[in-house]
Amino acid sequence: DQQVKQNSPSLSVQEGRISILNCDYTNSMFDYFLWYKKYPAEGPTFLISISSIKDKNEDGRFTVFLNKSAKHLSLHIVPSQPGDSAVYFCAASASGNTGKLIFGQGTTLQVKP
Amino acid sequence: GAGVSQSPSNKVTEKGKDVELRCDPISGHTALYWYRQSLGQGLEFLIYFQGNSAPDKSGLPSDRFSAERTGGSVSTLTIQRTQQEDSAVYLCASSFHGGYNEQFFGPGTRLTVL
Repeated sequence: DQQVKQNSPSLSVQEGRISILNCDYTNSMFDYFLWYKKYPAEGPTFLISISSIKDKNEDGRFTVFLNKSAKHLSLHIVPSQPGDSAVYFCAASASGNTGKLIFGQGTTLQVKP
Repeated sequence: GAGVSQSPSNKVTEKGKDVELRCDPISGHTALYWYRQSLGQGLEFLIYFQGNSAPDKSGLPSDRFSAERTGGSVSTLTIQRTQQEDSAVYLCASSFHGGYNEQFFGPGTRLTVL
């Protein structure tokens, strides 16, 4: 039972354009959502998060949008840079929980120069 | 400062053998998590330690898997009688008091069971 799904395994974008990565979830108890970025042979690193009381959170070139009614969130990267090429994981957590994260399968982003 | 470290970085073992994977969390972090990433999959939660509380073992896939955290710091994940399906990257993360605090991940241990 995949509670967090990233249906696009890969995405290719031209440098300078927008990258949009999508994530869907099924568990209505999730109230905190995160995006992690992972380079090969390294552990994931935290990128940006959003609480369920918000519908948008922005940090520099990265913006996360949350649509609770659709149980959908997305990560926008504008403008995309070649250094953004990595695997991006969406993750979710439920309140009162230990902070354990439920991850999606990941989307590999390639930004072409 | 030092991040989360894991050892070994790679481990190749034969089916049926036991393996131990080690995690050194960031100093001062009371929460420690183990996840694993199988080929082509996302990260799967295994176990969570928070201070002196009983660990959350709800993600351990079978009783062949166990973990300890000694002195509230270093953790060891043990897999007994390894199977080929145990092959994965095992990732450790730590955070300051758990909950919604950011989790910092180590580089992982790549386990291959032949």
